[in-house]
Amino acid sequence: NAGVTQTPKFQVLKTGQSMTLQCAQDMNHEYMSWYRQDPGMGLRLIHYSVGAGITDQGEVPNGYNVSRSTTEDFPLRLLSAAPSQTSVYFCASSYDEDRGEIYGYTFGSGTRLTVV
Amino acid sequence: AQKITQTQPGMFVQEKEAVTLDCTYDTSDQSYGLFWYKQPSSGEMIFLIYQGSYDEQNATEGRYSLNFQKARKSANLVISASQLGDSAMYFCAMREVGDDKIIFGKGTRLHILP
Repeated sequence: NAGVTQTPKFQVLKTGQSMTLQCAQDMNHEYMSWYRQDPGMGLRLIHYSVGAGITDQGEVPNGYNVSRSTTEDFPLRLLSAAPSQTSVYFCASSYDEDRGEIYGYTFGSGTRLTVV
Repeated sequence: AQKITQTQPGMFVQEKEAVTLDCTYDTSDQSYGLFWYKQPSSGEMIFLIYQGSYDEQNATEGRYSLNFQKARKSANLVISASQLGDSAMYFCAMREVGDDKIIFGKGTRLHILP
């Protein structure tokens, strides 16, 4: 059971380049989300999805796109990287709270992104 | 408005002492869940403990316990008999029923001194 798999673990981009951070989970979780972690800011929600074909914006969505074509995968796209997007990115998943209970997250191992 | 407040950016504690990490939250919902996560220097996020708003007893997991005071909207993490390996960043988080998101506090960096 792999849990939540994020790739790559490290990435350096030049300003203006595009890239996709990959996230896959094998736990049949309905809910998936992307957070960025910056010093002193905690974890801030970028985008999230409650199921295939459904996505929504979080607290800091600008500059990022997502799609959810399958239950397992939730890629995060940076269309034109900026130095302000230098951060550590976490993907997380859980069962939807509609199952009648409140579930916590399983996190991926994170991607450290530097934009120069 | 900030929903999760962790007022201690950093703490230094002597090994073997008990530690209390503060967390207050803001919600108008009656049904919600509170979580604590640990992030060691290696960077991964590790789930520690969960407390449901309707749970009558404080949650415990080994050396971790959650001091849940619903009327005060506080969910402090207590670590008994601290160890050097407890040095890490700790995040408090909340998920409301009917909301798909989990909201995190800004974290407390705990340093355990030998």
